[in-house]
Amino acid sequence: KNEVEQSPQNLTAQEGEFITINCSYSVGISALHWLQQHPGGGIVSLFMLSSGKKKHGRLIATINIQEKHSSLHITASHPRDSAVYICAVQKTSGSRLTFGEGTQLTVNP
Amino acid sequence: NAGVTQTPKFQVLKTGQSMTLQCAQDMNHNSMYWYRQDPGMGLRLIYYSASEGTTDKGEVPNGYNVSRLNKREFSLRLESAAPSQTSVYFCASSEAQGGQFFGPGTRLTVL
Repeated sequence: KNEVEQSPQNLTAQEGEFITINCSYSVGISALHWLQQHPGGGIVSLFMLSSGKKKHGRLIATINIQEKHSSLHITASHPRDSAVYICAVQKTSGSRLTFGEGTQLTVNP
Repeated sequence: NAGVTQTPKFQVLKTGQSMTLQCAQDMNHNSMYWYRQDPGMGLRLIYYSASEGTTDKGEVPNGYNVSRLNKREFSLRLESAAPSQTSVYFCASSEAQGGQFFGPGTRLTVL
């Protein structure tokens, strides 16, 4: 079993919909990261969080340490949000990341 | 600032050929990483360097070597390329407890 599991693997939405992507992990962590990979391949870091909730524009990330679970929400989704969203955990022992397989999001106009 | 740069962007090799992927960062980060990304799998760590002068194996180091030339540069070498090394390679850098910054990737095909 992977240490980091994401769901769903694929998600199709209509423009304007509220989107949730989930991430569960099975190891002790110091931080959890959400990354976005554009269709062109580039990877950017969206959030790094160790507790609670963070918001940036239409993106919200939450984490529940006790339940070992995080969610990434996108409000008022737009076709430009179409990308692969990747969850990664930073274990308590260092800076290395362990990655989930990613969620392919497609937002249709 | 350029962030993390990688060269080349694309490369085609024949089985048995060697090559070096170059990576450089201008953010004065201590830690640098090499990953590979294959369809249906998450990013997997090949090697990393926690600081200048140190390197450590990741999950999938076989068939690769690395050099942390200085604080800025971290290269990945394939001594004898195999078709199983066809992949997209990403370099990244970070501070010890910070987010990682990724390069644009190198798409490598081994025939």
